[in-house]
Amino acid sequence: QVQLVQSGAEVKPPGASVKVSCEASGYTFTTYFIHWVRQAPGQGLEWLGIINPGGGGTRFAQKFQGRVTMTSDTSTSKVYMELGSLRSDDTAVYYCARDKGGDHYFDYWGQGTLVTVSS
Amino acid sequence: DIVMTQSPDSLAESLGERATINCKSSQSVLYNSNNKNYLAWYQQKPGQPPKLLIYWASTRESGVPDRFSGSGSGTDFTLTISSLQAEDVAVYYCQQYYTSPSTFGQGTKLEIK
Repeated sequence: QVQLVQSGAEVKPPGASVKVSCEASGYTFTTYFIHWVRQAPGQGLEWLGIINPGGGGTRFAQKFQGRVTMTSDTSTSKVYMELGSLRSDDTAVYYCARDKGGDHYFDYWGQGTLVTVSS
Repeated sequence: DIVMTQSPDSLAESLGERATINCKSSQSVLYNSNNKNYLAWYQQKPGQPPKLLIYWASTRESGVPDRFSGSGSGTDFTLTISSLQAEDVAVYYCQQYYTSPSTFGQGTKLEIK
């Protein structure tokens, strides 16, 4: 069965960077795009960007341009999202999600990774 | 960016009753060349990631009960739960994937009356 398993919770000081991983299983890793979506406490959903795990191509929301990096490792079926210059309002649960058919809606989600930015 | 606005923000209905959630986009998400509306609906329960319910505005995801249905076109969309069950208590989100960045509505919290 399809699974996306994310790395554990992180606490980072303002200005630092955080790197979250998402390990895929149960399907051919390079066949489906992966998106990253975040949710601040008690808030709605915000799209950060997309990565093609096979070719490594990425596209990011303009809001995060210059601050976010997404990479993939086909040998381990993992994708990574790194967010830098962290601020308190980056505190959120970060989800990876699989693109169902290349049309940018999401059929499988990771369990989420809580990133807390605090001094 | 396309702004997605849901109504109401919260909703309470009795078990077995119909629940209706609306979603309005700031511009059309209908792609004329394929006549598809680039609109999805998700259900999120506390402590869980969102779950895909509906895509292309009205196509039910595999395994989703048929009491869930989606309708609408262009800028106005509706998610209907025909007979509310206790397990339907959740927050529901619409999402447009017509243009990048993909954007979500603010969510509608559904409770049992």
